[in-house]
Amino acid sequence: ETGVTQSPTHLIKTRGQQVTLRCSSQSGHNTVSWYQQALGQGPQFIFQYYREEENGRGNFPPRFSGLQFPNYSSELNVNALELDDSALYLCASSAGGGFQETQYFGPGTRLLVL
Amino acid sequence: GESVGLHLPTLSVQEGDNSIINCAYSNSASDYFIWYKQESGKGPQFIIDIRSNMDKRQGQRVTVLLNKTVKHLSLQIAATQPGDSAVYFCAEVNQGGKLIFGQGTELSVKP
Repeated sequence: ETGVTQSPTHLIKTRGQQVTLRCSSQSGHNTVSWYQQALGQGPQFIFQYYREEENGRGNFPPRFSGLQFPNYSSELNVNALELDDSALYLCASSAGGGFQETQYFGPGTRLLVL
Repeated sequence: GESVGLHLPTLSVQEGDNSIINCAYSNSASDYFIWYKQESGKGPQFIIDIRSNMDKRQGQRVTVLLNKTVKHLSLQIAATQPGDSAVYFCAEVNQGGKLIFGQGTELSVKP
């Protein structure tokens, strides 16, 4: 186990709703990155938070937003959910900003949008 | 656009044989590459990484080879075991400093 936890494990929402996913980073890590993984695909980078500030963003619309707290845990918020948002959402923590440090992934939250 | 792709979506090997999983990347400026293993119901697990100033790196039963000339990355697993059955992803850190994953190769180990 990596020490990275995510909640909830599964979630069902309807189109147009909002969702908040949570991630607790591994002890000693100050960076959390979020990814979306569609079925049968590799994870796609959403954004990264380093010391409570956004530190890079992938090609996702503004309705995907996030937060990082002083204890370095993080939230991913998605507004106005669309059917295509159905995916596994992964967070990964690391010991430094950027991607040169090893990323440790949590088990993910599986989101289904109906 | 940038992409990291894999040559084969599935690979089936006999237990005890060596496995080779290949990956092509498109950004010649990428300087860091990582292999991840993802088992069903779990997040990706770091296996091994390599920086662009190296062409080979070895771990426990795994070796990563980097050929920058043809922008090719491979993961070799020695004496493949049933516990190695999983989806394997290569990933690169591109020029923009972002981590890009390939689509994955599913490795199936036959007893």
